[in-house]
Amino acid sequence: AQSVTQLDSHVSVSEGTPVLLRCNYSSSYSPSLFWYVQHPNKGLQLLLKYTSAATLVKGINGFEAEFKKSETSFHLTKPSAHMSDAAEYFCVVSDWLYAGGTSYGKLTFGQGTILTVHP
Amino acid sequence: EAQVTQNPRYLITVTGKKLTVTCSQNMNHEYMSWYRQDPGLGLRQIYYSMNVEVTDKGDVPEGYKVSRKEKRNFPLILESPSPNQTSLYFCASSLGGQDTQYFGPGTRLTVL
Repeated sequence: AQSVTQLDSHVSVSEGTPVLLRCNYSSSYSPSLFWYVQHPNKGLQLLLKYTSAATLVKGINGFEAEFKKSETSFHLTKPSAHMSDAAEYFCVVSDWLYAGGTSYGKLTFGQGTILTVHP
Repeated sequence: EAQVTQNPRYLITVTGKKLTVTCSQNMNHEYMSWYRQDPGLGLRQIYYSMNVEVTDKGDVPEGYKVSRKEKRNFPLILESPSPNQTSLYFCASSLGGQDTQYFGPGTRLTVL
């Protein structure tokens, strides 16, 4: 069964310093991996997506993530944090399941990492 | 504008009073799903639908029902709500199960 572990429930950084949000996953097949962001009282927005093409994926707002199969990791990074990056971030794995002759994707969310950015 | 809409956005109800949360998407997506979000638990899938009249249980389906009679709509039904169903609910849609999910704005439900 697939699973996602976000290694930090809270991360606090100063504005202008690097951001690292860690995610490990387990999957039976070749998964798709996503990072979503949720700003306070808002819905979820896609940051970036990995689907077995380039292992380094660039997303919106200067974020990127690197897929490392040997480490089963998909950590999210940004070189320089901005106050507007303060939000909750979710790592998501999507894997194929097969049932009744039909294949379908199933998403599993991590528990979330709350990013705080200090002035 | 491509979007997923949910109604109502906020709902306070009492135990046992049936309610429906509507979800509609205008992107002609085949895949739709419902999630609940609880602090420290991330989002957990309640039900999903791969197409019209095709639905299946997610990770936490107990106490919920869904239907998919039309491609664009995927209502979530709580026949007899209980306080442990107090949560933030999100509807999402995508082209397929592994594609980017588009989320609605959320429905905050309180069951007293």
